[in-house]
Amino acid sequence: RKEVEQDPGPFNVPEGATVAFNCTYSNSASQSFFWYRQDCRKEPKLLMSVYSSGNEDGRFTAQLNRASQYISLLIRDSKLSDSATYLCVVLYSGGYQKVTFGTGTKLQVIP
Amino acid sequence: GAVVSQHPSWVICKSGTSVKIECRSLDFQATTMFWYRQFPKQSLMLMATSNEGSKATYEQGVEKDKFLINHASLTLSTLTVTSAHPEDSSFYICSARHKAGGIRRIDFGPGTRLTVT
Repeated sequence: RKEVEQDPGPFNVPEGATVAFNCTYSNSASQSFFWYRQDCRKEPKLLMSVYSSGNEDGRFTAQLNRASQYISLLIRDSKLSDSATYLCVVLYSGGYQKVTFGTGTKLQVIP
Repeated sequence: GAVVSQHPSWVICKSGTSVKIECRSLDFQATTMFWYRQFPKQSLMLMATSNEGSKATYEQGVEKDKFLINHASLTLSTLTVTSAHPEDSSFYICSARHKAGGIRRIDFGPGTRLTVT
């Protein structure tokens, strides 16, 4: 089983739609969780951290479920500019630091 | 602006030669730097974790004698691909964890595209 798993997609959604991505992780001792966005041939950029209580940033909402070991990202009112690959990132800091990326979920917002 | 730089941004080299890639944190100190590579249409794969002043921790399957990592200062880490072969052609990205920002602050470099002919 992969340490971090995501549905690769692609998710093709019309403008204005709401779309949700999930990401599961296997290491229950994982400590920090993030969503990154990566545009084609560019480096990943931090979209938002994921807090235990859930957090929202404009049209984006992130949730963490430690019991079931998954995190989610909800995008409301999708824009064309949201088209990208969304990476789930898990950081483990016990003894040594390890950052693990999911394979990414590709989102294509269609006019 | 960019807070992590990489040099070079792209490089073409002949098989058997060595290539050094630099990763610099521009306006912060980075206690930990991470090196990844990404093959086309695949996910970022962590290669190694580099802590300033100590040996790098390599992920399973990554040859430490082939991918030499040096983290000599809090603002610079280097990755040297020794005796490069065409299968080493990839996109190499570094990231740096801010010393003062806690574990939530990690910034990525723009990446280095390596092509081995």
